[in-house]
Amino acid sequence: GAVVSQHPSRVICKSGTSVKIECRSLDFQATTMFWYRQFPKQSLMLMATSNEGSKATYEQGVEKDKFLINHASLTLSTLTVTSAHPEDSSFYICSASSQGNQPQHFGDGTRLSIL
Amino acid sequence: AQSVSQHNHHVILSEAASLELGCNYSYGGTVNLFWYVQYPGQHLQLLLKYFSGDPLVKGIKGFEAEFIKSKFSFNLRKPSVQWSDTAEYFCAASSNSGNTPLVFGKGTRLSVIA
Repeated sequence: GAVVSQHPSRVICKSGTSVKIECRSLDFQATTMFWYRQFPKQSLMLMATSNEGSKATYEQGVEKDKFLINHASLTLSTLTVTSAHPEDSSFYICSASSQGNQPQHFGDGTRLSIL
Repeated sequence: AQSVSQHNHHVILSEAASLELGCNYSYGGTVNLFWYVQYPGQHLQLLLKYFSGDPLVKGIKGFEAEFIKSKFSFNLRKPSVQWSDTAEYFCAASSNSGNTPLVFGKGTRLSVIA
C-alpha cells in the first residue's frame, strides 16, 4: 500500500490564491522529503529538499519566496505555492525515504491548475 | 553535472514483443539506479532498483535491468510485453551518499498494441 500520502490530489483556483499541498509519510519517519515538479510530457524536476526542523534547500531557479516549504515534523512536509499564477500550473509530487539508501516512495501527486 | 539520459521518447510494440529501454547516466562516484513506471492517471511506482551486487536486477511484473558500469548504462528489459505495460517509464539515479534526491531521465512512453 501507499506509504506516502499527498493531499490534495487536484486543485483548481484563481490567480493570486495561495495553495498548500501536504505530504505525509504514513508508516515511517522521514527526516528528508523531496518536492518535484512535472510539466506535461516532461520528466520530474527536483524543486527542493525539505529537511525536518530546518530550512529547505532549493534548486537553482526555484523561488523560495514563492514555493514555501515547511517540514514541521518527521512525518509531514508542506509546500505552499504563494500568489499562484497560471504559469505555476503543474503536477507537484513529493517523495520520502525512511533512511539513507532506501528507495524513495512517491505521493500520488497534486495537479494544480491556476485559472 | 549529474544527468540521466533515456534514448527513446516513445516506443510502440505489439503484444508479446520483447522490450528494451535504454538508460545512461553521468554521475561521479557510486550511484544508485532505479526504474519507475507511471501508469496513466497513477503515481510513480518503483519497478526495480540497483544499489550494489549482482548487476542483473529483477523487478516486479517480469521486468529486469542490467547495470553495465563500463557503459554507464542501466537498460530495462522485458521478454514479452503485455497491453497492461502501456505506461511511462522513468530511469533515475542518485548518489550513494545517504538520503539524496533522484535525478530523472525524461521518460519513455511505451504503447503496447494488440
